[in-house]
Amino acid sequence: GAGVSQSPSNKVTEKGKDVELRCDPISGHTALYWYRQSLGQGLEFLIYFQGNSAPDKSGLPSDRFSAERTGGSVSTLTIQRTQQEDSAVYLCASVRELAYGYTFGSGTRLTVV
Amino acid sequence: KQEVTQIPAALSVPEGENLVLNCSFTDSAIYNLQWFRQDPGKGLTSLLLIQSSQREQTSGRLNASLDKSSGRSTLYIAASQPGDSATYLCAVRGGSNYQLIWGAGTKLIIKP
Repeated sequence: GAGVSQSPSNKVTEKGKDVELRCDPISGHTALYWYRQSLGQGLEFLIYFQGNSAPDKSGLPSDRFSAERTGGSVSTLTIQRTQQEDSAVYLCASVRELAYGYTFGSGTRLTVV
Repeated sequence: KQEVTQIPAALSVPEGENLVLNCSFTDSAIYNLQWFRQDPGKGLTSLLLIQSSQREQTSGRLNASLDKSSGRSTLYIAASQPGDSATYLCAVRGGSNYQLIWGAGTKLIIKP
């Protein structure tokens, strides 16, 4: 597609429920990143996928968080047993190659009540 | 360890003024530097990307410069408009590292 697409744009969930956030990167982009941004805070790196390499999961805050990227394209970020502190905007970005810049999606605003 | 600092944290100017936002980084071994804007409650929009071999990039009323040796980049906005109000973020990619290191941003308000 023309840009990075994220869905849903907004998600309200009850504490303890599982949620799935989807990112559809730009076609042909080899790298995909997930970040989250809490209210008034900077960007927090979560996970990175590059081609067929093992993902860098070093930013995932707990084992309740997981992500996968199927077929080198669409990625799903799953949060199990959501907590109120998980409330944030979750941003996805894709990159064509190292020399190119990031393109971000519009984000998913997650609210855990 | 690379650190990125943006000064000022906030800036309010009247419409029509030219302004400069600053970004500094501690390790000059960068691959590229990217400027973004973020509108409240929205994602990030890429403004300009400067490769380490470049000195500046221009897009419309925006001009970004890069001085690797001094660890500095500036974003110049000419003839500011209320629609320029947003938070401006700079981020650097170091060497072959795939991660971006982010500044905390400058919140810009352009008063009509």
